[in-house]
Amino acid sequence: GQQLNQSPQSMFIQEGEDVSMNCTSSSIFNTWLWYKQDPGEGPVLLIALYKAGELTSNGRLTAQFGITRKDSFLNISASIPSDVGIYFCAGHLVGGGGANSKLTFGKGITLSVRP
Amino acid sequence: NAGVTQTPKFRILKIGQSMTLQCAQDMNHNYMYWYRQDPGMGLKLIYYSVGAGITDKGEVPNGYNVSRSTTEDFPLRLELAAPSQTSVYFCASSSGVATEAFFGQGTRLTVV
Repeated sequence: GQQLNQSPQSMFIQEGEDVSMNCTSSSIFNTWLWYKQDPGEGPVLLIALYKAGELTSNGRLTAQFGITRKDSFLNISASIPSDVGIYFCAGHLVGGGGANSKLTFGKGITLSVRP
Repeated sequence: NAGVTQTPKFRILKIGQSMTLQCAQDMNHNYMYWYRQDPGMGLKLIYYSVGAGITDKGEVPNGYNVSRSTTEDFPLRLELAAPSQTSVYFCASSSGVATEAFFGQGTRLTVV
């Protein structure tokens, strides 16, 4: 099946540092979505990207839809303790409809922030 | 708005028992999804639906069944529970293809 690759599985940063995560695929995607999951909760949408090259910010978060439509990155600036959680990328494949209606997820990156 | 509501939040089943995980959304979304989440494995799609009366298999459908008789509800049925179905189950909905999905809070299921 289609795969979204996120690595590493875990990241450890110091409070106040910036961190960048990326997500890659061999397939072309129509949309890229970034979600955050807190322990015991469902994933919550952070940023949605709909056009190749699009750069979108949400507070301290910035995400970009890669020009090739096969990748995306998420930046978190000036990290704080509540940034701890699992960050997932997700996307819809080109040719949406039918099986491509489904949203494909990466395996997620667990972010730890040291005070 | 409540968004996506899942019940129950927790459940312990014995091997061979059956149960239905409930999911309801009040956003009038056509698309609904069931995912399971295992540690370090991300979210894997079990089944999805693009509208009432229409369902299709995802990546890991074996051992599960779904129905979609209304726009609002998308229950997931486990007929013969197995230990391999121990997981956290998430229901999600979206307004259309290639739009963001909204998730419920999950159901933590343990099969013993």
